[in-house]
Amino acid sequence: GENVEQHPSTLSVQEGDSAVIKCTYSDSASNYFPWYKQELGKGPQLIIDIRSNVGEKKDQRIAVTLNKTAKHFSLHITETQPEDSAVYFCAASSNSGYALNFGKGTSLLVTP
Amino acid sequence: KAGVTQTPRYLIKTRGQQVTLSCSPISGHRSVSWYQQTPGQGLQFLFEYFSETQRNKGNFPGRFSGRQFSNSRSEMNVSTLELGDSALYLCASSSGLAGSDTQYFGPGTRLTVL
Repeated sequence: GENVEQHPSTLSVQEGDSAVIKCTYSDSASNYFPWYKQELGKGPQLIIDIRSNVGEKKDQRIAVTLNKTAKHFSLHITETQPEDSAVYFCAASSNSGYALNFGKGTSLLVTP
Repeated sequence: KAGVTQTPRYLIKTRGQQVTLSCSPISGHRSVSWYQQTPGQGLQFLFEYFSETQRNKGNFPGRFSGRQFSNSRSEMNVSTLELGDSALYLCASSSGLAGSDTQYFGPGTRLTVL
């Protein structure tokens, strides 16, 4: 089955700096790659997603890049703010799976 | 549009008991997926239902089961609870038209097994 690896497990940055989280996947059939943000006591919230026919997608301070050949995708957050502090999860799925395979998560801390 | 709702939000049970959790998807969504989240194993897929049929199942024992009703609401049941079943159980809804459909999560049910 699909195996998604996520790095780093923890990341601390100063407010205003950029943060990058990287994920790799194993199943070449995977074609959908969402990123979720989870705050304490809440369910995961979708922040951005990308499909395999696109190499990059941007939404304000958040961007995701996908390299299908290398089977890796990354989340980029620019101009970080303290409210960006949370656990971020990457995931991958395919048309036939109906399931998201998650990475282990990255705990991001943005210090003022 | 209202989001995904899950009830109850918190539950405490003892070993050997059974439990039923409920999930109401976003209006118009026909697919409901269930995930277990623990500190050690992370987020793991349990099963997915679409139009009252289970389409996919994760690698969990038969004590974990689910069902979906004609209004797309779903329930999951865990029988003969074990200490290791303590977790946050998350429900996600999507249109269900493709396996790579966007999934929206509810707040989860925190289950504690004593």
